[in-house]
Amino acid sequence: DAGVTQSPTHLIKTRGQHVTLRCSPISGHKSVSWYQQVLGQGPQFIFQYYEKEERGRGNFPDRFSARQFPNYSSELNVNALLLGDSALYLCASSLGTGKRDEQYFGPGTRLTVT
Amino acid sequence: AQSVTQPDIHITVSEGASLELRCNYSYGATPYLFWYVQSPGQGLQLLLKYFSGDTLVQGIKGFEAEFKRSQSSFNLRKPSVHWSDAAEYFCAVGPLGTGNQFYFGTGTSLTVIP
Repeated sequence: DAGVTQSPTHLIKTRGQHVTLRCSPISGHKSVSWYQQVLGQGPQFIFQYYEKEERGRGNFPDRFSARQFPNYSSELNVNALLLGDSALYLCASSLGTGKRDEQYFGPGTRLTVT
Repeated sequence: AQSVTQPDIHITVSEGASLELRCNYSYGATPYLFWYVQSPGQGLQLLLKYFSGDTLVQGIKGFEAEFKRSQSSFNLRKPSVHWSDAAEYFCAVGPLGTGNQFYFGTGTSLTVIP
């Protein structure tokens, strides 16, 4: 079975631009979470979506938004990009929102803001 | 507030030597604890997890970890390191809150020398 897939793999944007990152969860998984991993740091939680509804949000500004589609895939949108948004963005999927539902991570999208 | 500390930013070991990576957490109750590994250009792969019960847990690739409540620690060990173990290792606590978010440490980079 395919794992979590993310697209694109890499992209370069300019300050002030907008970016959309995409994630396809493992088949059968209904929950998707997004994390930001700045170089040299551990991942930081941005959002969790389950059944198309936002279930949790980390400490990120409103420039960050996300949504989940009927097929459970998800998009992360970032507006008005800043240099500090340069990071690896990780998507994780899980069966549901149970505390013991294992999260499976995708390979990430490397975003560089110049 | 929840936090995870990995005091060793970088560790170098010889192939065949034993390994211990340290992790301390701060959380009000007994948390669920995890170790993930991240190879360059890859997402996070779960090595092992602790939910409850036996405080010594076995994981994949020959890794094990021991939960010590009195020390708020969850150290990762391997008796004999292989060159392919070179990677970044992250300790995490979670899932917590309505978003089932994970809190990650800053990671320990492992170098294996022949």
